[in-house]
Amino acid sequence: AQSVTQPDIHITVSEGASLELRCNYSYGATPYLFWYVQSPGQGLQLLLKYFSGDTLVQGIKGFEAEFKRSQSSFNLRKPSVHWSDAAEYFCAVGRLAAGGTSYGKLTFGQGTILTVHP
Amino acid sequence: EAQVTQNPRYLITVTGKKLTVTCSQNMNHEYMSWYRQDPGLGLRQIYYSMNVEVTDKGDVPEGYKVSRKEKRNFPLILESPSPNQTSLYFCASSFGLAGVTGELFFGEGSRLTVL
Repeated sequence: AQSVTQPDIHITVSEGASLELRCNYSYGATPYLFWYVQSPGQGLQLLLKYFSGDTLVQGIKGFEAEFKRSQSSFNLRKPSVHWSDAAEYFCAVGRLAAGGTSYGKLTFGQGTILTVHP
Repeated sequence: EAQVTQNPRYLITVTGKKLTVTCSQNMNHEYMSWYRQDPGLGLRQIYYSMNVEVTDKGDVPEGYKVSRKEKRNFPLILESPSPNQTSLYFCASSFGLAGVTGELFFGEGSRLTVL
């Protein structure tokens, strides 16, 4: 079964500092990988996604992520964090299941809460 | 405006009293899904639907039912709610198999408390 692990439950950074949020996945084939952000009281918004090709993907709000197959990782990065980036971040992996109508399943990690200090 | 609309946004109910959380999307998406969010567990998929009359179980389907009679609607039914179903629920939709390969659009969530 596919799984996603976000090792850091809570990260605190100062405004202007760089950020890296970790994501490790377990999946037997080529994964589809996503990062979503959830602001307080809101639904989730897609930051970026990886399907194939270039392993460094750019997303919205200045975020990027790098797919490393050898490490089963898809870490999210931002060079300079803004106070408005404070939110909860979710990594997710998708796959096509075999058989019947069981096509789509998206598995989310536990989430990482980002706090930004002024 | 493209959106996924859930109702109710907040609900307190008692054990055993049937309830339905509605979900409607206006983007003509084929794929729709329900998730529950619990602290420390992230989002867990309850059920999903690839198209009208096509539904399948996610990772935590016990205690829930769904139906997809129309493309735009995907209600979540709790026939006999129990306190362990107290959670924040999200409905999401996407184009076709983009449910796996593309962007999910999420509703704003429905916070359910079962006493």
